Amino acid sequence: KAGVTQTPRYLIKTRGQQVTLSCSPISGHRSVSWYQQTPGQGLQFLFEYFSETQRNKGNFPGRFSGRQFSNSRSEMNVSTLELGDSALYLCASSSGGRVQETQYFGPGTRLLVL
Amino acid sequence: QKEVEQNSGPLSVPEGAIASLNCTYSDRGSQSFFWYRQYSGKSPELIMSIYSNGDKEDGRFTAQLNKASQYVSLLIRDSQPSDSATYLCAVIGWGQGAQKLVFGQGTRLTINP
Repeated sequence: KAGVTQTPRYLIKTRGQQVTLSCSPISGHRSVSWYQQTPGQGLQFLFEYFSETQRNKGNFPGRFSGRQFSNSRSEMNVSTLELGDSALYLCASSSGGRVQETQYFGPGTRLLVL
Repeated sequence: QKEVEQNSGPLSVPEGAIASLNCTYSDRGSQSFFWYRQYSGKSPELIMSIYSNGDKEDGRFTAQLNKASQYVSLLIRDSQPSDSATYLCAVIGWGQGAQKLVFGQGTRLTINP
């Protein structure tokens, strides 16, 4: 089975712009979670989508949003980018029946905000 | 108090020795625990999951869980240079009415040949 894929792998944006990141889960997986990883804060949970619905949400401002399509692919959007949004954005997929199931990570999108 | 705490290291262990990584968590109701390994510049990959008190072994890796002490550990036997990475402890926890996977800051492990 192919693993989790994320596009693009690298992005450079300027403050105030918006960005959309994409994630394709492992075939058959219905849950997609998004995380932000920075050296200072570590890995932080953004949100989880299951069957096109946001099932769980972390403590990030409303500038961070996401959605999931009927084929389980997910997108994450960050509007009005700030310097502090520079990070590695990871998505992870699981089969989705329970939150406790193992999550498998994609390679990540590295975002640099100038 | 952080939800999941790990010693950030770096932890340096000679090749062939046992590396011991520790993690404590604050949510007494947590039921699911995971260890991920992350090489520099790469994404986390799952090593072990553990759900019940006691030990769980998989090859050179042993996860230990003690829910009463809210403590989970990972032992790596016969450490190899390829084990040098950051090890992330993760716990399913509740926050603001939602379940989420909460990660510790990670322990950077270096195996010295």
